[in-house]
Amino acid sequence: GESVGLHLPTLSVQEGDNSIINCAYSNSASDYFIWYKQESGKGPQFIIDIRSNMDKRQGQRVTVLLNKTVKHLSLQIAATQPGDSAVYFCAENIDVGGSQGNLIFGKGTKLSVKP
Amino acid sequence: EPEVTQTPSHQVTQMGQEVILRCVPISNHLYFYWYRQILGQKVEFLVSFYNNEISEKSEIFDDQFSVERPDGSNFTLKIRSTKLEDSAMYFCASRPRAHLIGRELFFGEGSRLTVL
Repeated sequence: GESVGLHLPTLSVQEGDNSIINCAYSNSASDYFIWYKQESGKGPQFIIDIRSNMDKRQGQRVTVLLNKTVKHLSLQIAATQPGDSAVYFCAENIDVGGSQGNLIFGKGTKLSVKP
Repeated sequence: EPEVTQTPSHQVTQMGQEVILRCVPISNHLYFYWYRQILGQKVEFLVSFYNNEISEKSEIFDDQFSVERPDGSNFTLKIRSTKLEDSAMYFCASRPRAHLIGRELFFGEGSRLTVL
């Protein structure tokens, strides 16, 4: 039978350009957010995180922006490289009574970098 | 660098058969998780485990699923009677003690389950 699956949003960028990947999260009570990178056939790898008391955090070549008013998260990758090609997931978390709960993942965006 | 390891990397099974997926979390971590990812879709939470008991589970984690930490190192996911729709990549993840560092989960490379 035919398999049906979600088609991931795709972002195609030229090597060296900046990339911006967006994510809308679901729960206004979430107080911690993470971006993961998933290369084909591999597990998610941590990129950067941000707590809800911040609106911006920078790492090496990556910046995460958080807009709690509209429940929006973005990941900016500077000078995108072919090795950045992957699927990027945002995830949210609520700290429930110290147990930390679990991560809820968004749908993912596929980033393709053209050399 | 310590990592989460999972076995097998790929398992093919017949519908109705039992499957056990194994994970060795990072040694000083205390929280353990199973997630699954159907091909091309998002990563979905199945179950979390702390202090030798399930702390949270999703609707996906029905009576056909169980988890166990039989010794100090392994963390297993058992599916008692597999269905076609159980075909997915299953990821184990772990996290260290709460609040010492960020809340990120450390994921293994996954076990691909194919049910025929």
